Amino acid sequence: KAGVTQTPRYLIKTRGQQVTLSCSPISGHRSVSWYQQTPGQGLQFLFEYFSETQRNKGNFPGRFSGRQFSNSRSEMNVSTLELGDSALYLCASSADSYNEQFFGPGTRLTVL
Amino acid sequence: AQSVSQHNHHVILSEAASLELGCNYSYGGTVNLFWYVQYPGQHLQLLLKYFSGDPLVKGIKGFEAEFIKSKFSFNLRKPSVQWSDTAEYFCAVNPGLKAAGNKLTFGGGTRVLVKP
Repeated sequence: KAGVTQTPRYLIKTRGQQVTLSCSPISGHRSVSWYQQTPGQGLQFLFEYFSETQRNKGNFPGRFSGRQFSNSRSEMNVSTLELGDSALYLCASSADSYNEQFFGPGTRLTVL
Repeated sequence: AQSVSQHNHHVILSEAASLELGCNYSYGGTVNLFWYVQYPGQHLQLLLKYFSGDPLVKGIKGFEAEFIKSKFSFNLRKPSVQWSDTAEYFCAVNPGLKAAGNKLTFGGGTRVLVKP
């Protein structure tokens, strides 16, 4: 089975721009979660989508949003980028909530 | 709100030494517990998990963890480490109810360096 894939792997943007990151879960997985990893704050939960609905949301501002498509692929969007948004964004998929999550390699976003 | 704390930020040890990493969590209900590992240049991988049953769980690569409910702890152990165990280790907690979905809370991580 192919693992979780994320595109792009690296991204450089400037302040004020917006960005869209993509995640393809493992085949058959319906839950997709997003996490932000930074040296200062560690790994923080952004949101989870299940069957095209946001099921959980972390403590991030409204500039962070996401969606899930009928094939379970997910995108997250960050609008009006700030320097502090520079991070590794990780996507994880699982069959459902009573299963472990499998992580992708991440998208490293740098905001200049 | 739930939280997870890992006692050590950095651990340095020699090959064949024993490893124990502490993890304590704060959460008012049933939990599912995980240890993830991030090897240099690689993505997060699951080492082991606890959902229910025997509180002593065995994972991959010779790792094991013990869930002590009364102490809200889930410590990771390995009797004899190898140089290839050099990595960052993360303890994580998820609400234990199926309806709650997935929203892992991670500890701050422990960087382990194994000297050959």
